[in-house]
Amino acid sequence: AQSVTQLDSQVPVFEEAPVELRCNYSSSVSVYLFWYVQYPNQGLQLLLKYLSGSTLVKGINGFEAEFNKSQTSFHLRKPSVHISDTAEYFCAVSDDRGAQKLVFGQGTRLTINP
Amino acid sequence: NAGVTQTPKFRVLKTGQSMTLLCAQDMNHEYMYWYRQDPGMGLRLIHYSVGEGTTAKGEVPDGYNVSRLKKQNFLLGLESAAPSQTSVYFCASSLRQYNEKLFFGSGTQLSVL
Repeated sequence: AQSVTQLDSQVPVFEEAPVELRCNYSSSVSVYLFWYVQYPNQGLQLLLKYLSGSTLVKGINGFEAEFNKSQTSFHLRKPSVHISDTAEYFCAVSDDRGAQKLVFGQGTRLTINP
Repeated sequence: NAGVTQTPKFRVLKTGQSMTLLCAQDMNHEYMYWYRQDPGMGLRLIHYSVGEGTTAKGEVPDGYNVSRLKKQNFLLGLESAAPSQTSVYFCASSLRQYNEKLFFGSGTQLSVL
Protein backbone atom coordinates (compact mmCIF):
# COMPACT_ATOMS: atom_id res chain seq x y z
CA ALA A 1 0.00 0.00 0.00
CA GLN A 2 1.16 3.50 -0.70
CA SER A 3 1.92 6.12 1.94
CA VAL A 4 2.85 9.79 2.02
CA THR A 5 5.06 11.73 4.42
CA GLN A 6 5.14 15.49 4.54
CA LEU A 7 8.36 16.31 6.31
CA ASP A 8 7.35 19.67 7.80
CA SER A 9 4.17 20.31 9.75
CA GLN A 10 4.69 24.09 9.66
CA VAL A 11 6.72 26.35 7.39
CA PRO A 12 7.00 30.09 8.14
CA VAL A 13 8.43 32.33 5.43
CA PHE A 14 8.59 36.02 4.69
CA GLU A 15 6.57 37.54 1.88
CA GLU A 16 8.32 37.43 -1.52
CA ALA A 17 10.72 34.73 -0.31
CA PRO A 18 10.93 31.34 -2.04
CA VAL A 19 9.40 28.28 -0.42
CA GLU A 20 9.66 24.52 -0.74
CA LEU A 21 7.22 22.11 0.86
CA ARG A 22 8.57 18.59 1.02
CA CYS A 23 6.70 15.39 0.24
CA ASN A 24 7.99 11.82 0.11
CA TYR A 25 5.96 8.78 -0.83
CA SER A 26 6.31 5.04 -0.79
CA SER A 27 4.69 2.65 -3.22
CA SER A 28 5.55 -0.62 -4.87
CA VAL A 29 4.01 0.39 -8.18
CA SER A 30 3.75 3.44 -10.37
CA VAL A 31 2.04 6.37 -8.74
CA TYR A 32 0.04 9.45 -9.44
CA LEU A 33 0.90 12.45 -7.26
CA PHE A 34 -1.09 15.50 -6.26
CA TRP A 35 -0.83 18.68 -4.25
CA TYR A 36 -4.00 20.16 -2.78
CA VAL A 37 -4.37 23.47 -0.93
CA GLN A 38 -6.83 24.27 1.83
CA TYR A 39 -7.48 27.93 2.57
CA PRO A 40 -8.94 28.77 6.00
CA ASN A 41 -12.48 27.46 6.50
CA GLN A 42 -12.65 26.00 2.99
CA GLY A 43 -12.47 22.62 1.32
CA LEU A 44 -9.41 21.42 -0.57
CA GLN A 45 -8.57 22.59 -4.08
CA LEU A 46 -6.24 20.93 -6.55
CA LEU A 47 -2.96 22.82 -7.10
CA LEU A 48 -1.31 20.42 -9.52
CA LYS A 49 -0.91 16.77 -10.37
CA TYR A 50 1.61 14.41 -11.91
CA LEU A 51 0.24 11.50 -13.93
CA SER A 52 3.03 10.85 -16.46
CA GLY A 53 5.41 12.64 -18.82
CA SER A 54 7.47 15.66 -17.80
CA THR A 55 8.66 15.43 -14.23
CA LEU A 56 8.26 19.18 -13.70
CA VAL A 57 4.63 20.03 -13.23
CA LYS A 58 3.23 23.55 -13.16
CA GLY A 59 0.08 24.38 -11.28
CA ILE A 60 -2.11 27.28 -10.36
CA ASN A 61 -1.01 30.40 -8.46
CA GLY A 62 2.63 30.07 -9.58
CA PHE A 63 3.33 26.78 -7.85
CA GLU A 64 5.30 23.93 -9.40
CA ALA A 65 6.43 20.50 -8.27
CA GLU A 66 9.05 18.06 -9.44
CA PHE A 67 8.58 14.31 -9.48
CA ASN A 68 11.79 12.50 -8.53
CA LYS A 69 11.35 8.77 -8.88
CA SER A 70 14.77 7.80 -7.52
CA GLN A 71 14.21 9.82 -4.35
CA THR A 72 10.48 9.06 -4.22
CA SER A 73 9.75 12.74 -3.73
CA PHE A 74 7.31 15.31 -5.06
CA HIS A 75 8.33 18.63 -3.51
CA LEU A 76 6.25 21.75 -4.06
CA ARG A 77 7.96 25.07 -4.80
CA LYS A 78 7.14 28.70 -5.40
CA PRO A 79 9.82 31.30 -6.18
CA SER A 80 8.08 34.20 -4.44
CA VAL A 81 5.20 33.81 -2.00
CA HIS A 82 2.39 36.21 -1.16
CA ILE A 83 0.28 36.72 1.93
CA SER A 84 -2.59 35.06 0.06
CA ASP A 85 -0.61 31.79 -0.08
CA THR A 86 -1.17 31.29 3.65
CA ALA A 87 -2.92 27.92 3.79
CA GLU A 88 -2.46 24.26 4.53
CA TYR A 89 -0.98 22.15 1.76
CA PHE A 90 -1.55 18.44 1.32
CA CYS A 91 0.42 16.00 -0.77
CA ALA A 92 -1.47 12.92 -1.95
CA VAL A 93 -0.64 9.72 -3.82
CA SER A 94 -2.63 7.14 -5.70
CA ASP A 95 -1.34 3.98 -7.32
CA ASP A 96 -2.17 2.61 -10.73
CA ARG A 97 -3.78 -0.63 -9.62
CA GLY A 98 -7.28 0.71 -9.66
CA ALA A 99 -7.38 1.62 -5.98
CA GLN A 100 -10.25 4.02 -5.89
CA LYS A 101 -8.77 6.42 -3.44
CA LEU A 102 -6.05 8.90 -2.67
CA VAL A 103 -3.82 8.68 0.37
CA PHE A 104 -3.13 12.08 1.87
CA GLY A 105 -0.15 13.31 3.82
CA GLN A 106 -0.50 14.98 7.19
CA GLY A 107 -0.40 18.48 5.75
CA THR A 108 2.01 21.42 5.94
CA ARG A 109 0.81 24.74 7.27
CA LEU A 110 2.42 27.57 5.31
CA THR A 111 2.47 30.91 7.11
CA ILE A 112 3.56 34.03 5.26
CA ASN A 113 4.91 36.87 7.36
CA PRO A 114 4.99 40.45 6.02
CA ASN B 1 -22.41 26.53 -10.34
CA ALA B 2 -22.77 25.01 -6.85
CA GLY B 3 -20.27 22.14 -7.18
CA VAL B 4 -20.26 20.04 -3.99
CA THR B 5 -22.59 21.11 -1.20
CA GLN B 6 -22.51 19.71 2.33
CA THR B 7 -25.16 20.11 4.98
CA PRO B 8 -25.08 20.91 7.81
CA LYS B 9 -21.97 23.06 8.26
CA PHE B 10 -21.86 22.64 12.04
CA ARG B 11 -23.39 20.15 14.44
CA VAL B 12 -23.06 19.28 18.10
CA LEU B 13 -24.18 15.83 19.25
CA LYS B 14 -24.33 14.04 22.55
CA THR B 15 -22.71 10.64 22.85
CA GLY B 16 -25.06 7.99 21.51
CA GLN B 17 -27.10 10.27 19.27
CA SER B 18 -27.41 9.65 15.57
CA MET B 19 -27.22 11.95 12.58
CA THR B 20 -26.86 12.04 8.82
CA LEU B 21 -24.59 14.29 6.79
CA LEU B 22 -25.72 15.08 3.27
CA CYS B 23 -23.46 15.64 0.29
CA ALA B 24 -24.85 16.78 -3.03
CA GLN B 25 -23.01 17.39 -6.30
CA ASP B 26 -24.35 18.89 -9.48
CA MET B 27 -21.51 17.94 -11.83
CA ASN B 28 -22.81 14.49 -12.81
CA HIS B 29 -19.76 12.88 -11.20
CA GLU B 30 -19.64 9.11 -10.86
CA TYR B 31 -17.34 8.89 -7.84
CA MET B 32 -18.03 10.34 -4.41
CA TYR B 33 -16.04 10.16 -1.17
CA TRP B 34 -16.32 10.94 2.52
CA TYR B 35 -13.18 11.99 4.40
CA ARG B 36 -12.51 13.03 7.95
CA GLN B 37 -9.83 15.56 8.82
CA ASP B 38 -8.11 15.51 12.19
CA PRO B 39 -5.19 17.70 13.32
CA GLY B 40 -1.84 16.26 12.31
CA MET B 41 -3.41 13.35 10.46
CA GLY B 42 -4.41 14.82 7.15
CA LEU B 43 -7.50 13.43 5.46
CA ARG B 44 -8.56 9.84 5.93
CA LEU B 45 -11.07 8.11 3.71
CA ILE B 46 -14.17 6.80 5.48
CA HIS B 47 -16.26 5.39 2.62
CA TYR B 48 -16.55 5.95 -1.09
CA SER B 49 -18.84 5.19 -4.00
CA VAL B 50 -18.03 4.49 -7.65
CA GLY B 51 -21.58 4.93 -8.86
CA GLU B 52 -25.23 5.07 -7.94
CA GLY B 53 -26.21 2.21 -5.67
CA THR B 54 -22.61 1.26 -4.81
CA THR B 55 -20.53 1.90 -1.70
CA ALA B 56 -17.21 0.65 -0.36
CA LYS B 57 -15.16 0.96 2.81
CA GLY B 58 -12.18 3.24 3.05
CA GLU B 59 -9.45 3.46 5.63
CA VAL B 60 -11.57 4.29 8.71
CA PRO B 61 -15.13 2.98 8.15
CA ASP B 62 -15.99 1.79 11.68
CA GLY B 63 -18.93 3.62 13.25
CA TYR B 64 -20.15 5.05 9.94
CA ASN B 65 -22.59 3.97 7.25
CA VAL B 66 -23.25 5.44 3.82
CA SER B 67 -25.79 5.31 1.06
CA ARG B 68 -25.84 6.42 -2.59
CA LEU B 69 -29.44 6.00 -3.68
CA LYS B 70 -29.20 8.84 -6.19
CA LYS B 71 -26.16 9.66 -8.30
CA GLN B 72 -25.96 13.22 -7.05
CA ASN B 73 -26.24 12.44 -3.33
CA PHE B 74 -23.96 10.64 -0.90
CA LEU B 75 -25.12 10.33 2.70
CA LEU B 76 -22.91 9.64 5.71
CA GLY B 77 -24.59 8.30 8.83
CA LEU B 78 -23.46 8.01 12.42
CA GLU B 79 -25.72 5.55 14.23
CA SER B 80 -24.36 6.08 17.74
CA ALA B 81 -21.97 9.00 17.93
CA ALA B 82 -18.81 8.79 20.03
CA PRO B 83 -16.40 11.56 21.12
CA SER B 84 -13.75 9.96 18.85
CA GLN B 85 -15.91 11.00 15.91
CA THR B 86 -15.41 14.68 16.67
CA SER B 87 -13.82 15.89 13.46
CA VAL B 88 -14.24 17.91 10.30
CA TYR B 89 -15.93 15.89 7.57
CA PHE B 90 -15.38 16.54 3.90
CA CYS B 91 -17.26 15.19 0.96
CA ALA B 92 -15.62 15.06 -2.45
CA SER B 93 -16.49 13.93 -5.94
CA SER B 94 -14.66 13.14 -9.16
CA LEU B 95 -15.82 12.54 -12.71
CA ARG B 96 -14.49 9.05 -12.95
CA GLN B 97 -11.20 7.72 -11.76
CA TYR B 98 -9.13 8.31 -8.66
CA ASN B 99 -6.41 10.03 -10.67
CA GLU B 100 -8.68 12.83 -11.69
CA LYS B 101 -9.27 16.03 -9.81
CA LEU B 102 -11.34 15.79 -6.66
CA PHE B 103 -13.88 18.53 -5.98
CA PHE B 104 -14.42 19.13 -2.29
CA GLY B 105 -17.27 20.54 -0.27
CA SER B 106 -16.62 23.16 2.39
CA GLY B 107 -16.83 20.70 5.27
CA THR B 108 -18.94 19.88 8.32
CA GLN B 109 -17.58 20.57 11.79
CA LEU B 110 -18.97 17.87 14.10
CA SER B 111 -18.50 17.86 17.86
CA VAL B 112 -19.59 14.90 19.96
CA LEU B 113 -19.82 15.62 23.67
